[in-house]
Amino acid sequence: AQTVTQSQPEMSVQEAETVTLSCTYDTSESDYYLFWYKQPPSRQMILVIRQEAYKQQNATENRFSVNFQKAAKSFSLKISDSQLGDAAMYFCAYRTEYGNKLVFGAGTILRVKS
Amino acid sequence: GAVVSQHPSWVICKSGTSVKIECRSLDFQATTMFWYRQFPKQSLMLMATSNEGSKATYEQGVEKDKFLINHASLTLSTLTVTSAHPEDSSFYICSAKLAGTYEQYFGPGTRLTVT
Repeated sequence: AQTVTQSQPEMSVQEAETVTLSCTYDTSESDYYLFWYKQPPSRQMILVIRQEAYKQQNATENRFSVNFQKAAKSFSLKISDSQLGDAAMYFCAYRTEYGNKLVFGAGTILRVKS
Repeated sequence: GAVVSQHPSWVICKSGTSVKIECRSLDFQATTMFWYRQFPKQSLMLMATSNEGSKATYEQGVEKDKFLINHASLTLSTLTVTSAHPEDSSFYICSAKLAGTYEQYFGPGTRLTVT
């Protein structure tokens, strides 16, 4: 079974600084998708970024970028120029290429200090 | 586009009663919907997968007779918590899979408090 591990329960970052959230996963599949979701205090799940495993190029979305290391099964999220609105719970998630289910990590609470 | 709503957003019920939570895809058809449960500061736990017109598939350890799921149309799935008890108090989130794709879109969640 696939598993997703987020080893950082909480992280803090100063406004305008950069922070990296870690995620590792375990799978025997070769094709799959990885996601980072943000859950702010409203608790609405928001898709931040996604990565297709067959793509070597790391995905980027404005201030958010990932470092995808397929061989190491690592998928970290870098947030640049952190803003107060980035404060939230961040979940790493995995899905097989043709699968329905999302497998979530335990989450990392990100606090942004002004 | 791809908006999912949940109703109610917050509900309080007495122990022993049943409560129904609705999940609707507002602007797309969803052949598959998912129900998650989330405790404070914890991850989402998948409870069940519902497919339009067929029985839901429950995850191991989830009581199907307690958490009744119905997916009667391509835009609506319901979760009924039967004979609710205080331990059923939680945040329930649904997501809907856009028909023809594997993309999931999440609802805003429903906070259930059982007194």
